[in-house]
Amino acid sequence: NAGVTQTPKFQVLKTGQSMTLQCAQDMNHEYMSWYRQDPGMGLRLIHYSVGAGITDQGEVPNGYNVSRSTTEDFPLRLLSAAPSQTSVYFCASSPGTFEAFFGQGTRLTVV
Amino acid sequence: AQKITQTQPGMFVQEKEAVTLDCTYDTSDPSYGLFWYKQPSSGEMIFLIYQGSYDQQNATEGRYSLNFQKARKSANLVISASQLGDSAMYFCAMRENLFGNEKLTFGTGTRLTIIP
Repeated sequence: NAGVTQTPKFQVLKTGQSMTLQCAQDMNHEYMSWYRQDPGMGLRLIHYSVGAGITDQGEVPNGYNVSRSTTEDFPLRLLSAAPSQTSVYFCASSPGTFEAFFGQGTRLTVV
Repeated sequence: AQKITQTQPGMFVQEKEAVTLDCTYDTSDPSYGLFWYKQPSSGEMIFLIYQGSYDQQNATEGRYSLNFQKARKSANLVISASQLGDSAMYFCAMRENLFGNEKLTFGTGTRLTIIP
């Protein structure tokens, strides 16, 4: 049982480049979300989805896009990377009632 | 206003002592959930304990217990008999469902260091 799988684990981008962070879960959870973790700021919600075809913005959505075409996958797209997007990104999934299961994280550096 | 507040950026505790990590929250959702997660230096997020807003008893999981005081809107994590492996960042989080949107919001965390 893989749980939540995030790829890649590490990424370096140049300012202005675009990329997609992948997130897949095999637990048939309806609820999936993306967070970014910055020093001293905890985890902040970027976007979330309560089911296939449904997405909504979290606390810090600017500069990011998401889509949810299947229950399993919830990719996060950076449209034009900026140094302010240097962070650790976590994807999480949840059955909606209890704890969220997290991926291993993606450490992104934008230079 | 902060939805989740953790007022202790860092704590140092002697091994084998008990430790309490503070968490206060704010929500208008009558049905919410409170969580604690541990993040060791390796970076992964590890679920520790959950308390539902309607649960009458405080949640316990092994050495972890959640001191839930609903009227005071606090959900402190208590770790009994601390171990060196407990050194990590600890995050309090709240799940709420407002206007049909379910969100999980995190506090800024407490860095716990266990001293041998």
